Amino acid sequence: GIQVEQSPPDLILQEGANSTLRCNFSDSVNNLQWFHQNPWGQLINLFYIPSGTKQNGRLSATTVATERYSLLYISSSQTTDSGVYFCAVLYQGGSNYKLTFGKGTLLTVNP
Amino acid sequence: DGGITQSPKYLFRKEGQNVTLSCEQNLNHDAMYWYRQDPGQGLRLIYYSQIVNDFQKGDIAEGYSVSREKKESFPLTVTSAQKNPTAFYLCASSWGPNYGYTFGSGTRLTVV
Repeated sequence: GIQVEQSPPDLILQEGANSTLRCNFSDSVNNLQWFHQNPWGQLINLFYIPSGTKQNGRLSATTVATERYSLLYISSSQTTDSGVYFCAVLYQGGSNYKLTFGKGTLLTVNP
Repeated sequence: DGGITQSPKYLFRKEGQNVTLSCEQNLNHDAMYWYRQDPGQGLRLIYYSQIVNDFQKGDIAEGYSVSREKKESFPLTVTSAQKNPTAFYLCASSWGPNYGYTFGSGTRLTVV
């Protein structure tokens, strides 16, 4: 099956700093999503981005599908950005469709 | 407001018991999914359903069962055959596999 690797595994920032999270995947994908899991466990969909660049406020994401990676940028970080960021990709094997998750990046933003 | 509702938020199971986790969505999504998350880990797919009355096994289906009798509902039963059921269970839905997923708030299951 497809492999999804996220880096770094842990990241600690001071409030106001910028950061870049990376997601590498081992095969072609039709679907790539970034999620934020808050400390209570809720997963929020940040971006659906199989290719190209999108921006939403202080967050933006870029996927270069031909080179099999995606980047999530967080600018002017806030303490509420803390949590785990997951990248997930869709692997299409025969008639099976399943979103495969990376292990996540744990982000801690200190005041 | 449209969304996904999972219940209960916390569930305790005795050894040998079956328990059922509820997942209801009012987004009119066709596809629904169940994921399991263990501490410090990513999500692993248990079962998914692309349409009513049809569902497929994911990576870790052993010891679990599901049904999809209604479009809005996709309950998960954790059977006594699941040897290590303590985990955080997340339900999701989408228009289909090539669309964004919406997740519920999860159920924390603990075996006592």
